[in-house]
Amino acid sequence: EAGVAQSPRYKIIEKRQSVAFWCNPISGHATLYWYQQILGQGPKLLIQFQNNGVVDDSQLPKDRFSAERLKGVDSTLKIQPAKLEDSAVYLCASSLDSADRLNEKLFFGSGTQLSVL
Amino acid sequence: QKEVEQDPGPLSVPEGAIVSLNCTYSNSAFQYFMWYRQYSRKGPELLMYTYSSGNKEDGRFTAQVDKSSKYISLFIRDSQPSDSATYLCAMSAPGRGGATNKLIFGTGTLLAVQP
Repeated sequence: EAGVAQSPRYKIIEKRQSVAFWCNPISGHATLYWYQQILGQGPKLLIQFQNNGVVDDSQLPKDRFSAERLKGVDSTLKIQPAKLEDSAVYLCASSLDSADRLNEKLFFGSGTQLSVL
Repeated sequence: QKEVEQDPGPLSVPEGAIVSLNCTYSNSAFQYFMWYRQYSRKGPELLMYTYSSGNKEDGRFTAQVDKSSKYISLFIRDSQPSDSATYLCAMSAPGRGGATNKLIFGTGTLLAVQP
């Protein structure tokens, strides 16, 4: 079974530039998450989609971050304009949509490492 | 106070040692407790998943939850160099309509098992 695919693997930009990340979840997984992991910290949820609807975006800095999940499969996360403090690994994860709570296990991609100079 | 506290380490042990990794938490509503392992430059992968209190064993790994103390542990027996990674605890509370709320992660503990 293919895992969660993310691209690009690395990205270096200057502050105030824009950047976009792409994620393809595991086939059949209805729920998709974007996490931000700053060096030395645990992942922090930015946004959660259920199919193509947003479930939770309470920690997404909406003045500069946006995300979409068209057709309920692939997703893109965009930052515009980037700040120095956005330097982090951006992780995409997916999980099955099930009434059984014990099935809400997240499968992560390898992430995109963003450096903002 | 953070909702989840975890000692960042690093923790260095010799091969074959028993490793104990711990997290404390402040939110008494947490009922789902997980341990993720994260190798360098990789995403976290689920290692153990427990619901409410008690112990769960899977091979060399044992997860313990003590809800009265708001304390969870992961034990690794006969540790191997391949266990060298960052171990993240994560937890969540039941949400509305049967769905869980978002996962809250600890900062992770970096473990190095020396051959």
